[in-house]
Amino acid sequence: NAGVTQTPKFRILKIGQSMTLQCTQDMNHNYMYWYRQDPGMGLKLIYYSVGAGITDKGEVPNGYNVSRSTTEDFPLRLELAAPSQTSVYFCASRPTGGAVYSPLHFGNGTRLTVT
Amino acid sequence: TQLLEQSPQFLSIQEGENLTVYCNSSSVFSSLQWYRQEPGEGPVLLVTVVTGGEVKKLKRLTFQFGDARKDSSLHITAAQPGDTGLYLCAGARNDMRFGAGTRLTVKP
Repeated sequence: NAGVTQTPKFRILKIGQSMTLQCTQDMNHNYMYWYRQDPGMGLKLIYYSVGAGITDKGEVPNGYNVSRSTTEDFPLRLELAAPSQTSVYFCASRPTGGAVYSPLHFGNGTRLTVT
Repeated sequence: TQLLEQSPQFLSIQEGENLTVYCNSSSVFSSLQWYRQEPGEGPVLLVTVVTGGEVKKLKRLTFQFGDARKDSSLHITAAQPGDTGLYLCAGARNDMRFGAGTRLTVKP
């Protein structure tokens, strides 16, 4: 059981480049999330999805886009990379049933540097 | 403005000491979750508190949910170096948002 898988683990981008961070889960979870974590800080919600075809903005959506065409996959796209997007990105999922109790399951993160 | 305010932001103590960290909000939550994160890894759930006034114990960790379900605390008894990490609280809603965390260092 792989859980939540994020790729790549590390990436260096030049300013203005674009890339897609991949996230897939094999637990049939409806809810999926993207967070960013700056050094020494907590997690800030970028986008989330409560099911296939539905996405919503979180606290810090500017500069990012997402799509949710399947239950399993929730890719995060950076169109014009900026140094302010240097961060560690975490994808997470959780089931719908018993939502009050259901914990977030996190991937291992993608460390992105924009220079 | 943070939905969830955590305090203190940093805490450095000696092994064997007790400590309490806090998670406060002006919003009511159906539940609050506490996570612990170690360097290079994603956060891992410690506990979920659901009922106002609820107290849950996990070995040396005691979690309390406020009566109004707006705040929570985490108390660690006789802290050990293995307790070192970032402690995060999150309010259980569709958009799961986290506090900024308390970074705990326990020195041997």
